[in-house]
Amino acid sequence: GAGVSQTPSNKVTEKGKYVELRCDPISGHTALYWYRQSLGQGPEFLIYFQGTGAADDSGLPNDRFFAVRPEGSVSTLKIQRTERGDSAVYLCASSKRVQETQYFGPGTRLLVL
Amino acid sequence: QQQVKQSPQSLIVQKGGISIINCAYENTAFDYFPWYQQFPGKGPALLIAIRPDVSEKKEGRFTISFNKSAKQFSLHIMDSQPGDSATYFCAASMSDYKLSFGAGTTVTVRA
Repeated sequence: GAGVSQTPSNKVTEKGKYVELRCDPISGHTALYWYRQSLGQGPEFLIYFQGTGAADDSGLPNDRFFAVRPEGSVSTLKIQRTERGDSAVYLCASSKRVQETQYFGPGTRLLVL
Repeated sequence: QQQVKQSPQSLIVQKGGISIINCAYENTAFDYFPWYQQFPGKGPALLIAIRPDVSEKKEGRFTISFNKSAKQFSLHIMDSQPGDSATYFCAASMSDYKLSFGAGTTVTVRA
């Protein structure tokens, strides 16, 4: 079956702009996660959704970052007033239920110039 | 603050050899320790995972060894193959959703 998909695969933007990154989880997966992976590092947890609600957003670095999952399926990570330090690969993962295996998408590579 | 420390940063092994990657953690509340494999341009994929009630878990050519008292765990890749060339991440969590990853080890298997 289809895995986790993320769009766009690459995004180049200018400092100060707003970006939206989309994640389509595996069908039927109730849990959805966002991670950020900087070059040469492991992924860092950003936020976790159970259904429509953000159950844990403790990893969001500041209030420029926001994520939604309005219908409990697709999620969008939104970054306002982008900074060069936001450049990274943003990974989305989903699992059938919490405490089950997380399946990762290929990521969106964000470059802020 | 990195909660899981991983070493080495990279390693090169001959085909048929053994690759060993080590990880250490501080938080004794961690109760789930997965290893992920990542190829360039792809997301991480779960390889094998262990919980602290066992000291070793083997799946095919991949084995996790776990030392609870030392707060260390390691991945052994036996009979390494060129297709195993990838970046490997150890991780840990205490809630099964908030994974804390190591910095990764790039494994290169020479034919």
